[in-house]
Amino acid sequence: ETGVTQSPTHLIKTRGQQVTLRCSSQSGHNTVSWYQQALGQGPQFIFQYYREEENGRGNFPPRFSGLQFPNYSSELNVNALELDDSALYLCASSSQTSGVEQYFGPGTRLTVT
Amino acid sequence: GENVEQHPSTLSVQEGDSAVIKCTYSDSASNYFPWYKQELGKRPQLIIDIRSNVGEKKDQRIAVTLNKTAKHFSLHITETQPEDSAVYFCAASTGTGGGADGLTFGKGTHLIIQP
Repeated sequence: ETGVTQSPTHLIKTRGQQVTLRCSSQSGHNTVSWYQQALGQGPQFIFQYYREEENGRGNFPPRFSGLQFPNYSSELNVNALELDDSALYLCASSSQTSGVEQYFGPGTRLTVT
Repeated sequence: GENVEQHPSTLSVQEGDSAVIKCTYSDSASNYFPWYKQELGKRPQLIIDIRSNVGEKKDQRIAVTLNKTAKHFSLHITETQPEDSAVYFCAASTGTGGGADGLTFGKGTHLIIQP
């Protein structure tokens, strides 16, 4: 198992609400990437944070936003939730200085009703 | 942007036989190609990766090959065992260091090992 942790494990929200998901990176890693994995699909890149700034973004609207803290942990915020936002949200940690490998956390299962 | 195609979507092999999963990518700037294994309800687990300056890499029963000219790469699993049953994802990235562009994943291959 990796040292990447995520909370909460599961979450149920109503359409239009806002949600915050959290991720703690593996020791020694300074970069966090977030992915959305719909049922039966591969993960899709949302964005990446390095040095507390967004360092790259996939094809997701601005209502998906994030933060990175000085201890390298990160948050993913989603506003105005839509039914299609129901998915497994994965974070992955990596190091800008020691390699390209990304190691995933266990994910947060978000259900929007 | 990058597009990764993965085939087949489902692969059933007899225990002890070999399994091969193939992926193609579209962006010639991609230079990093990892493979992940995801068991039901669990996180994707990095099992092997290859960089664009290498044509083949092996780790015990698994190997990955890369053909940059044709823009395709493959995962080979030999002497398959029941615990190899899972969904396998290929991915590609143009990033260096921490992979600033993120990983683009294929849609996955459900590998079934028949006893």
